[in-house]
Order: sequence, then structure tokens, then C-alpha cells
Amino acid sequence: GAGVSQSPRYKVTKRGQDVALRCDPISGHVSLYWYRQALGQGPEFLTYFNYEAQQDKSGLPNDRFSAERPEGSISTLTIQRTEQRDSAMYRCASSSDTFETQYFGPGTRLLVL
Amino acid sequence: DQQVKQNSPSLSVQEGRISILNCDYTNSMFDYFLWYKKYPAEGPTFLISISSIKDKNEDGRFTVFLNKSAKHLSLHIVPSQPGDSAVYFCAAREGGAGSYQLTFGKGTKLSVIP
Repeated sequence: GAGVSQSPRYKVTKRGQDVALRCDPISGHVSLYWYRQALGQGPEFLTYFNYEAQQDKSGLPNDRFSAERPEGSISTLTIQRTEQRDSAMYRCASSSDTFETQYFGPGTRLLVL
Repeated sequence: DQQVKQNSPSLSVQEGRISILNCDYTNSMFDYFLWYKKYPAEGPTFLISISSIKDKNEDGRFTVFLNKSAKHLSLHIVPSQPGDSAVYFCAAREGGAGSYQLTFGKGTKLSVIP
């Protein structure tokens, strides 16, 4: 079956612009996670949803970052007033339940100029 | 402070030989460990996992060993194949509430030479 998909795959934006990154989890997966991966590093946790409820947003770096999953399926990670330090690979993962294996999407590479 | 450390950024192994990838951790609350494999332009793919109640888990050519007292785990690939060439990430999860968060190492790039 289809895996986790993310769009766009690449996003180039100018400093100060808002961006929205989309994640489409594996069908039926109730848990969804966002991670950020800097070059040469492993993914770092940002936020977690169980169905439509955002259970944990402790990894979001500041209030310019927000995420939603209004219908418990597709999720959007929004970064407002982007800064150059926001440039990274943003990865989404989903799992069938909270403690099950997380399956990752291909990521969105964000470049802020 | 890195809680999961993969101290070897890269490793080269001849095809058919054993590949051993190492991972150390500092957080004693970690009780579940995973290895992910990542090809270029793709997301990390789950490979194998181990619970802290075990010291070994095997799946085909892949075996993960856990030494809790040393806070060390390793992934063995036998025999190594050129298709195994990828970046391997070690990840860990705490037990209890909030245990969905994975903490990753920086990865080790494995090159299997034909």
C-alpha cells in the first residue's frame, strides 16, 4: 500500500514568508509525528498527534511553528515569518497506534533565503 | 547533549563480510531501540528493533545486540550486500507516558564494496 507522502518535496522561500508543509499518513494510521532533520544530524521530534488531537508540541522550537490535523488524517506544519535557521528537512511519520513502529515519509526540504 | 551517539560517521565493508554498526546511549530511561536505514532522497525505513528486556533480536541477515549495562547496542549485517549501502540511524524511546518520541543518533553511512 501507499506509504507516507509529503508535499512539496522541495520548498524555497524568502525570509519572512509563511510556508505550509503537508503530510499524508498511511491510511488508517491514528498517530502522526513531525520531525526536523538538520544536515548531518538525525531527525529531531517536533510534535505528535493522536487522531486529530495534538498531544505533544514540546519539540516545536518557537511560536512561529504550528501544526494541525483537523480531521485526523492529513496534517499541515506551518512556519510563519520564516528565518534562515528554519532551513532543514522536515519529516513526517505515522504509526498504527502510539507505541507502534513509526513509518517515515520522504520529507520536505525547506530552504529559506 | 546527544543522548544517542553513533560515533562512526562512516564504515566501509567488503561484500560478503560482516558489517557492525555501533550505537551508545546515555539516557537510562530508554527501553526500546530501533534501527532505521535511509537511502538518498528517501525517508528512513524501519529495519529492526529490540526491547530492553532482550539482549538480542534477529531478522534474517540483521541482528541487533543490546548491552544495557554498557548502554550500548550494535547492528550486525551478515553477509553484507551492496544493496545494504545506506545511512543507518539508531533511535531510542523512553518507557512510560510520552514514549512515542524517538531520539535519533547522527547516523552511520555504510558502504558495501562489491
